[in-house]
Amino acid sequence: AQSVTQLGSHVSVSEGALVLLRCNYSSSVPPYLFWYVQYPNQGLQLLLKYTSAATLVKGINGFEAEFKKSETSFHLTKPSAHMSDAAEYFCAVNFRDDKIIFGKGTRLHILP
Amino acid sequence: AAGVIQSPRHLIKEKRETATLKCYPIPRHDTVYWYQQGPGQDPQFLISFYEKMQSDKGSIPDRFSAQQFSDYHSELNMSSLELGDSALYFCASSSSRQGGPDTQYFGPGTRLTVL
Repeated sequence: AQSVTQLGSHVSVSEGALVLLRCNYSSSVPPYLFWYVQYPNQGLQLLLKYTSAATLVKGINGFEAEFKKSETSFHLTKPSAHMSDAAEYFCAVNFRDDKIIFGKGTRLHILP
Repeated sequence: AAGVIQSPRHLIKEKRETATLKCYPIPRHDTVYWYQQGPGQDPQFLISFYEKMQSDKGSIPDRFSAQQFSDYHSELNMSSLELGDSALYFCASSSSRQGGPDTQYFGPGTRLTVL
């Protein structure tokens, strides 16, 4: 069955530390992959997307993600966390049809 | 750049009432999607329209209906509202002309509260 899994519903990192949010998908063919961010009481903002071009994708706000087919992963990273990065992050996949399937989300907490 | 517009932003209704949510896609986008995000949940796909025709359907209750109009805006109609319908409703839009996957751009959402 096609699915997307985010490891860790809550992740805490210190300000200035590396951010790593994990996402794995299950599919017989590589899907299109996205990361969205949702700030409290706000909508979903597209951070970055993978569309079968370069496997390392750079997004907004210093985030990037690497598509690894052998690991069926699309982990999100940022070298140095900032307080303003505190939000809910959703990994999402599109299996070549209309709908986006979202992961359960990971809430990122930034410690001062 | 213009974004997806949703109205109203907040809506409070009583049980068994009806509600209409509106979505105005990004200019020149021809596809509209509706998602429902319950409290503390991930967004769930409801329904989508391409060129005014329903293109895909997800877990949308029979009490809900939607359509896309000639100007590409869309409306989600919800009848016989239940407490469980309280959620954030997102509209997203995309353009099929850009080639490749249809990247969906989300609106700010309509927060529906059913009392």
